[in-house]
Amino acid sequence: GQQVMQIPQYQHVQEGEDFTTYCNSSTTLSNIQWYKQRPGGHPVFLIQLVKSGEVKKQKRLTFQFGEAKKNSSLHITATQTTDVGTYFCAGRPTSGTYKYIFGTGTRLKVLA
Amino acid sequence: ETGVTQSPTHLIKTRGQQVTLRCSSQSGHNTVSWYQQALGQGPQFIFQYYREEENGRGNFPPRFSGLQFPNYSSELNVNALELDDSALYLCASSDRTGGNRIYGYTFGSGTRLTVV
Repeated sequence: GQQVMQIPQYQHVQEGEDFTTYCNSSTTLSNIQWYKQRPGGHPVFLIQLVKSGEVKKQKRLTFQFGEAKKNSSLHITATQTTDVGTYFCAGRPTSGTYKYIFGTGTRLKVLA
Repeated sequence: ETGVTQSPTHLIKTRGQQVTLRCSSQSGHNTVSWYQQALGQGPQFIFQYYREEENGRGNFPPRFSGLQFPNYSSELNVNALELDDSALYLCASSDRTGGNRIYGYTFGSGTRLTVV
């Protein structure tokens, strides 16, 4: 079946270091969304990417959609303790369905 | 904007019982999706409702069913509960079926279901 994997599963960084999580889909995606979930919380939408090779920035966060629309990445520059949480990508397959397949998530811990 | 509200927040049920979870979508949203999130896992898509019709379903058995009402609120029903059904059930709403390009899906805080 369709799968979306993320690596790494966990990442511990010192405050101020950079962080990157990678998302890989087994099938081509129509678009991809990124969410952040704080411990004990619910997913909060960050961004949606639609075009092949698209790059979007939100302050210290940079999101990229691969040329083949099967992978994506989220890069955080100079992490802060407020960045703690699990980051999920969610891809919508091109098969015409409206469902989003969530990735396995990357749990980020930032050490002050 | 009131956001997405779900009830109850926590629930304990016995194996074999039936449960109904409720979701009030954000004002102006006509699409509701339900997700199951096991501990330490990503949300798994159950189904989506648009204008009271199911228009997408994930790999969940028929004992998972849903409804959407004219006011766009929604219910998730699970029959014959199994221990593996223990999870956080999340409701997400949007103003369009593919998710809003700027706001994506708005998630509720979820219902934590424990089956014993």
